[in-house]
Amino acid sequence: QKEVEQNSGPLSVPEGAIASLNCTYSDRGSQSFFWYRQYSGKSPELIMFIYSNGDKEDGRFTAQLNKASQYVSLLIRDSQPSDSATYLCAVHTGRRALTFGSGTRLQVQP
Amino acid sequence: DTEVTQTPKHLVMGMTNKKSLKCEQHMGHRAMYWYKQKAKKPPELMFVYSYEKLSINESVPSRFSPECPNSSLLNLHLHALQPEDSALYLCASSPTEGSNQPQHFGDGTRLSIL
Repeated sequence: QKEVEQNSGPLSVPEGAIASLNCTYSDRGSQSFFWYRQYSGKSPELIMFIYSNGDKEDGRFTAQLNKASQYVSLLIRDSQPSDSATYLCAVHTGRRALTFGSGTRLQVQP
Repeated sequence: DTEVTQTPKHLVMGMTNKKSLKCEQHMGHRAMYWYKQKAKKPPELMFVYSYEKLSINESVPSRFSPECPNSSLLNLHLHALQPEDSALYLCASSPTEGSNQPQHFGDGTRLSIL
């Protein structure tokens, strides 16, 4: 079992819809969870982080964490074509470094 | 633009060459990281420096040699690389190595080995 798992996609949503990206992790001791956006050929850009169970909102983005289910998600409201990218879930798993999922490719159709 | 600056942006080198990648940050961060990323794969951790000391080496071949001259600079010295080492090399920094510290990435150096 991979430490951090994501559906590779592509996840295709129409412009203006809500995109829901999911991530599961295996280490119950994980404490910190991060979402990065990566455009093709570019470096990862931090967009959200969450440490506590529940929801955290920042503009059009909402991160959701459920430690009991070992599940973290990212919701993007009012999706725009410019949101089309690969979204990487990263978890601080108790080792002294981040572990990344393989990423979910999001396509927002105009 | 990011607050972590990497140079060069692109590098093409032969297998017998010696070159260095450079990374600089002026955010006062005391943890710095090197990652390697192949196409359509997530970043893979190579090295972690904490307070200018090597904290983690993920069993990286010795042809990659990291150096942290001061708290703002991180180098990766390259020697006798193989074609499979062609990848995007990413530098990141965080305030400390602690688990609740987000890492911020530079734009990366795209390395091609001939």
